[in-house]
Amino acid sequence: SQQGEEDPQALSIQEGENATMNCSYKTSINNLQWYRQNSGRGLVHLILIRSNEREKHSGRLRVTLDTSKKSSSLLITASRAADTASYFCATDARTNAGKSTFGDGTTLTVKP
Amino acid sequence: GAVVSQHPSWVICKSGTSVKIECRSLDFQATTMFWYRQFPKQSLMLMATSNEGSKATYEQGVEKDKFLINHASLTLSTLTVTSAHPEDSSFYICSARGDRYNEQFFGPGTRLTVL
Repeated sequence: SQQGEEDPQALSIQEGENATMNCSYKTSINNLQWYRQNSGRGLVHLILIRSNEREKHSGRLRVTLDTSKKSSSLLITASRAADTASYFCATDARTNAGKSTFGDGTTLTVKP
Repeated sequence: GAVVSQHPSWVICKSGTSVKIECRSLDFQATTMFWYRQFPKQSLMLMATSNEGSKATYEQGVEKDKFLINHASLTLSTLTVTSAHPEDSSFYICSARGDRYNEQFFGPGTRLTVL
């Protein structure tokens, strides 16, 4: 089964609104990363949060990590049409030989 | 962060031919490289892990004789899709991890279309 699972699967909002996506995982991790992927394109690394961190910011992005609940959230504030993409979380598990496991992703649509 | 490149970025080939995809770490030495496959509207699925100078470790269900992986140097890994068929059409993405960084860095991906 997938280590990371995002919800919701799809999210549609208006430009200017905030978008929140969640990721849950099953085993202990070293770090968790969020990626964006535009349709038919490669991955773009957004942010990495380590297991000893609780919150990180990068521009309009805010990521939280709750290791007790094994969950993370990605908040995009003041969304723009250009934020329309699929967003994946990837976990770097402590006992997985350095592999990252991806969730199914959240497809975000920001309407202008 | 570190830079990982892939070549080609897209390729179209006839059924039955073999296709080689390169993955390079440009500014660091990658002791481990990973190959992923992504079908349309799906997530990335790990295919195999390769360590420099040793045989790749394949995930369950991935045919090692069909997807040949070579990690001959600390900056280059190649994935060869042998005797490609239309069902192999997919987006192939590599990532690299080195001793300088504790994280994986992903390449931009290669879109393979088999006619």
